[in-house]
Amino acid sequence: GENVEQHPSTLSVQEGDSAVIKCTYSDSASNYFPWYKQELGKRPQLIIDIRSNVGEKKDQRIAVTLNKTAKHFSLHITETQPEDSAVYFCAAHFSGGYNKLIFGAGTRLAVHP
Amino acid sequence: GAVVSQHPSWVICKSGTSVKIECRSLDFQATTMFWYRQFPKQSLMLMATSNEGSKATYEQGVEKDKFLINHASLTLSTLTVTSAHPEDSSFYICSARDPGRHRNEKLFFGSGTQLSVL
Repeated sequence: GENVEQHPSTLSVQEGDSAVIKCTYSDSASNYFPWYKQELGKRPQLIIDIRSNVGEKKDQRIAVTLNKTAKHFSLHITETQPEDSAVYFCAAHFSGGYNKLIFGAGTRLAVHP
Repeated sequence: GAVVSQHPSWVICKSGTSVKIECRSLDFQATTMFWYRQFPKQSLMLMATSNEGSKATYEQGVEKDKFLINHASLTLSTLTVTSAHPEDSSFYICSARDPGRHRNEKLFFGSGTQLSVL
């Protein structure tokens, strides 16, 4: 079935450290993997995404890696700052039907000054 | 990115009443919109896919008679929670794609509706 698993559920780091969040997906046909950041009471905001024809993508302090063989993808945040504190969701695009996105359970990241 | 507007942002209602939530694509046409529900400190769970001019497609375990979806135009989808009960209290959020300007997979979210049923 359609499933996205995300770990860890909570992550606490010191300012300036790196943070890594990992996800796995079930459908080998999935070809699009976005990451969303959600602050308390607000809508999810797309921060980075990657397609299956690319192994890695970077945007300033944020990078995403994809291993299609293992069906793993990860979010890497370097030089973390307190404003990075939020809940991060990974998602995978399932191509059947209406191209829906299924989300992971979320990771609550806390960056301490 | 594309703009998705959702109203109301919060609603409090009595048990047994119905609540309608609107989702609009402001600067693009959306033939498909998605409705998610999010309980506190949990993930976004897809409830249904709203299709313009046809019936919605519901995810397993979501009662279609309880959560009525209407997608009457290319810019508006509505979710009606019928005979709401306290267990329906949740954050409901819609999303849509703008295939005209973005690759087909990118989702843009509305601001969400916090529903509290007393």
